[in-house]
Amino acid sequence: ETGVTQSPTHLIKTRGQQVTLRCSSQSGHNTVSWYQQALGQGPQFIFQYYREEENGRGNFPPRFSGLQFPNYSSELNVNALELDDSALYLCASSLETGSNTEAFFGQGTRLTVV
Amino acid sequence: QKEVEQDPGPLSVPEGAIVSLNCTYSNSAFQYFMWYRQYSRKGPELLMYTYSSGNKEDGRFTAQVDKSSKYISLFIRDSQPSDSATYLCASRNDKIIFGKGTRLHILP
Repeated sequence: ETGVTQSPTHLIKTRGQQVTLRCSSQSGHNTVSWYQQALGQGPQFIFQYYREEENGRGNFPPRFSGLQFPNYSSELNVNALELDDSALYLCASSLETGSNTEAFFGQGTRLTVV
Repeated sequence: QKEVEQDPGPLSVPEGAIVSLNCTYSNSAFQYFMWYRQYSRKGPELLMYTYSSGNKEDGRFTAQVDKSSKYISLFIRDSQPSDSATYLCASRNDKIIFGKGTRLHILP
């Protein structure tokens, strides 16, 4: 186990609705990144939070937004859900930002949009 | 061209065989390379983490990076049915960039 926990594990939403996914980072880690993994694909970077500030974003529209709290846990919010948003959403935590730090992933939240 | 390319497989090999998994990457600035293992319906688990060119060994697993050819490899010796999973190669700058993953089946 990595110590990174995500909730809920599964979720079904209707197109147009909004969803909030949650992540608790590993103890001592101040950086959280979110990834979207569509079926049969590798994870795609959504954004990263470092000490409560967004400090990197991938090629995702503004309806994907996030938050990091003082205890370094994090939320991913998606508005106006589309069918293509159906995917496994992964959270990863690391001790710092930068290319030489290891990231540890949670089990993911599987979102189905119908 | 994707930054990290990986053949999705599936790759099926008999138990006990040596498995070779490969990726290529396009960005010559990449310095850190990783292999993750992902079981069905689970998050990726970090297997190996290497810096620059060279080999790194951990038990039955060996990771190899050749920066001159931009080639990343993972070798699994004495493969076991429990090694059946999807293997993701990745590199990292300010974010992790993954390949598509290769589905591996070890046949008992």
